[in-house]
Amino acid sequence: AQSVSQHNHHVILSEAASLELGCNYSYGGTVNLFWYVQYPGQHLQLLLKYFSGDPLVKGIKGFEAEFIKSKFSFNLRKPSVQWSDTAEYFCAVNAYNQGGKLIFGQGTELSVKP
Amino acid sequence: EPEVTQTPSHQVTQMGQEVILRCVPISNHLYFYWYRQILGQKVEFLVSFYNNEISEKSEIFDDQFSVERPDGSNFTLKIRSTKLEDSAMYFCASSEGLENTGELFFGEGSRLTVL
Repeated sequence: AQSVSQHNHHVILSEAASLELGCNYSYGGTVNLFWYVQYPGQHLQLLLKYFSGDPLVKGIKGFEAEFIKSKFSFNLRKPSVQWSDTAEYFCAVNAYNQGGKLIFGQGTELSVKP
Repeated sequence: EPEVTQTPSHQVTQMGQEVILRCVPISNHLYFYWYRQILGQKVEFLVSFYNNEISEKSEIFDDQFSVERPDGSNFTLKIRSTKLEDSAMYFCASSEGLENTGELFFGEGSRLTVL
């Protein structure tokens, strides 16, 4: 069965600090990988996705993620966070061509101090 | 920008009562989903729906749960007899189709509190 693990439950950073949120998945086949963000009081929004091709993907708001197949990882990065990045971040996986069923990680709450 | 809308945003109910959560997916989308998130836990897949039938469901989605697309716009989740452990945030999502597999658009969620 697929599973997704996010290493950090709660991360606290100061503005301008660099961010890296870890995500590992377990699944033997081809996967699609996603990072979703949920700002306080809002719905889940897609930050970025990886389907194929360049393993370094760029998303909205300066976020990027790198797919490392050998490590089953898809870590999210941002060189300089802002207070407005305060949110919960979810890594998600689905098996290629098996419909839209997403398996989510437990989420990482990011708090950015001004 | 088109969006998925959900009602109610918050519902409080007594154990054993029936609850219906409503969703209006994005109009040209073909695949519809319900997920839930118990406080402090992962977002969990409940069910996917395509072409007027369930395409996949999780172990959580037992006989107490049902989904329906009663008309061309609404997609509902019914919990027949709520239990305390059904308290959670329920998210509806929709996607265009398999060529965009996994790119789901989520609603803001309906918080269900069972007393």
